Amino acid sequence: GAGVSQSPRYKVAKRGQDVALRCDPISGHVSLFWYQQALGQGPEFLTYFQNEAQLDKSGLPSDRFFAERPEGSVSTLKIQRTQQEDSAVYLCASSLVGHRPGELFFGEGSRLTVL
Amino acid sequence: AQKVTQAQTEISVVEKEDVTLDCVYETRDTTYYLFWYKQPPSGELVFLIRRNSFDEQNEISGRYSWNFQKSTSSFNFTITASQVVDSAVYFCALSGIIQGAQKLVFGQGTRLTINP
Repeated sequence: GAGVSQSPRYKVAKRGQDVALRCDPISGHVSLFWYQQALGQGPEFLTYFQNEAQLDKSGLPSDRFFAERPEGSVSTLKIQRTQQEDSAVYLCASSLVGHRPGELFFGEGSRLTVL
Repeated sequence: AQKVTQAQTEISVVEKEDVTLDCVYETRDTTYYLFWYKQPPSGELVFLIRRNSFDEQNEISGRYSWNFQKSTSSFNFTITASQVVDSAVYFCALSGIIQGAQKLVFGQGTRLTINP
C-alpha cells in the first residue's frame, strides 16, 4: 500500500488477555519502529528492526512485550497478560536506511484499551 | 540522557495570526538531530523538518520557519499567517547522530487550535 498500515485500529482487552497488533510497512522500507503513545503524551520508543533483525528493544517496558518481524516485512507487537497501564496508542513507523535519517513514516496507530 | 520539553500544552489563536511553538532540549551528545512532527486528528505523525546540531542556519519553508539556537538549546517553530488546517498536535524530537537517528525522543507535544 501507499502508507504504513496498522491493524486493528481499536482493540479492547480484558486485563490478563493477550493481544497482537500488526504493522504493514511501506514496501521497500528496511527499518521498522514501534512507539507507544499514552494519552496526552508524546510517543515513546519501544523497539527497532532492520529487516528481520531486532537491533534495539531497549524501550520495551517489560518481558510481557514482544515484537517480531520474521520475514523483514510485516511486524507484530504482542502484549501478554495485558494490564491497565498498557492502555495506549501503539504507533508503527517505517523508513529507508541511511537516507533521510529520522524521517519516519507513521501509521495511524492501534488504540489499545485494557479494562 | 536525552530530554525534550515543550512547555506549551495548548495554544489557541485566530486564523491569520502568527504563532510560535517552543522546544527546549537536553542532551550530552555533541552531535544530534532535531525534528518537528505534526499529528493531525487522524493520528499518524507527519515529518516536517530535521536539523543537524552543527547547522544552526534557520530554515523557512512557505509559512513555516524554524529557529535553532544551540546556545539556549532551543528549536522553535513558527507558523506565519496560520490557517485552520494547521490545527494539530506538534511534537519536537531529538536523536543522536551516530546510530543514524534510530531512536527519537519526543516532547509531550503542543496542541495548536486555529479558530476561523
